[in-house]
Amino acid sequence: QVQMVESGGGVVQPGGSLRLSCTASGFTFSRHGMHWVRQAPGKGLEWLAVVWYDGSDKYYADSVKGRFTVSRDNSKNTVFLQIESLRAEDTAVYYCARDPSIAARLIFDYWGRGTLVTVSS
Amino acid sequence: EVVMTQSPATVSVSPGERVTLSCRASQNIGGNLAWYQQKPGQAPRLLIYGPSTRATGIPARFSASESGTEFTLTISSLQSEDFAVYYCQHYNNWPPTFGPGTKVDLK
Repeated sequence: QVQMVESGGGVVQPGGSLRLSCTASGFTFSRHGMHWVRQAPGKGLEWLAVVWYDGSDKYYADSVKGRFTVSRDNSKNTVFLQIESLRAEDTAVYYCARDPSIAARLIFDYWGRGTLVTVSS
Repeated sequence: EVVMTQSPATVSVSPGERVTLSCRASQNIGGNLAWYQQKPGQAPRLLIYGPSTRATGIPARFSASESGTEFTLTISSLQSEDFAVYYCQHYNNWPPTFGPGTKVDLK
């Protein structure tokens, strides 16, 4: 079955950086765009970034452009999110989610369980 | 950016009742809307997209409709496992955005 497992979250000081990973199984990873979506504690969902099936194209939410970088390694069925200059407002559960298309239909048909990032001194 | 709004914020329902949730887009999104269910401590789950196509494994008691920029999710007979927060999301253009959610809780 389709499964995605995020890792790399934790407690980070303001201004620090973090690299999140999401490893997928149960489907042909290289045939799907992959997204990152976050959810601050007690809040709603915010789309962050998408990477095309082959890594050739990437798009970001304006709120994170320039600080977040999405990438993927199809040989390892893994998508990454590099986060720089962390701020308190980045505190959230970070989910990876699969796009049903090779690029970005912008529907999230399967989700990982998320990894919690806490930005605190 | 398309702004999504949802109403009500919370609805209290008894098992077996019919419940209708509303979502509105700030501009025409061409029916490119999805609905997700999220239970406490869990990831969201895709319910419906397109705007009325059920995702894999979603029971028939979930249905959705569209009227211009107004969208509706209906649960025909609420089951105990349906108590959750429901989000709508447009995917018509960049960036995709979510509504603030409607919580369905026990009356």
